[in-house]
Amino acid sequence: GENVEQHPSTLSVQEGDSAVIKCTYSDSASNYFPWYKQELGKRPQLIIDIRSNVGEKKDQRIAVTLNKTAKHFSLHITETQPEDSAVYFCAALARDTGRRALTFGSGTRLQVQP
Amino acid sequence: EADIYQTPRYLVIGTGKKITLECSQTMGHDKMYWYQQDPGMELHLIHYSYGVNSTEKGDLSSESTVSRIRTEHFPLTLESARPSHTSQYLCASSMPGQSNTEAFFGQGTRLTVV
Repeated sequence: GENVEQHPSTLSVQEGDSAVIKCTYSDSASNYFPWYKQELGKRPQLIIDIRSNVGEKKDQRIAVTLNKTAKHFSLHITETQPEDSAVYFCAALARDTGRRALTFGSGTRLQVQP
Repeated sequence: EADIYQTPRYLVIGTGKKITLECSQTMGHDKMYWYQQDPGMELHLIHYSYGVNSTEKGDLSSESTVSRIRTEHFPLTLESARPSHTSQYLCASSMPGQSNTEAFFGQGTRLTVV
């Protein structure tokens, strides 16, 4: 099955700096890579996703890049703000008949210092 | 409003009791998942289902069971609760297929076994 590794486990940045979180996956059949943000005491919510037919996707201050050859993808947050502080999870899912499960990375706790 | 609902939100129960955590979604999704998560920590897949009468085990499935008799309903049962089951349980759903889509999470059930 799929195995997703995520680094770093914790990340502290100053407000206004950029933050980068990296994930690697093992299953070459994976074609969908979402990123979830989980604020303290709340449920995980999707912030951005990318499919294997594109190399980069951007949404305001958030971008995700995908390198299919190296099997890794990254989340980039620019101009960080205190409200970006949360746990971020990457995930991967293979193109199939729908019988595979979404596999998550172990999470990155991002702390943005004001 | 289309959403995914979990009940109860909080539960304190004695060791050895049988409990069922409820999860229902009104989005018409085929795929449903159960994850166990200690606060802010990794999401561990317990069970998932890709349709009615189809269930698959995840990494932490050995002490629980699920059923999928109706598309919208995916209850999780612990036959004999133990203190090690103390955790948060998150239910999620998504629509599978060639274009994998976002997984939506419920608010979670915070379980304490005393």
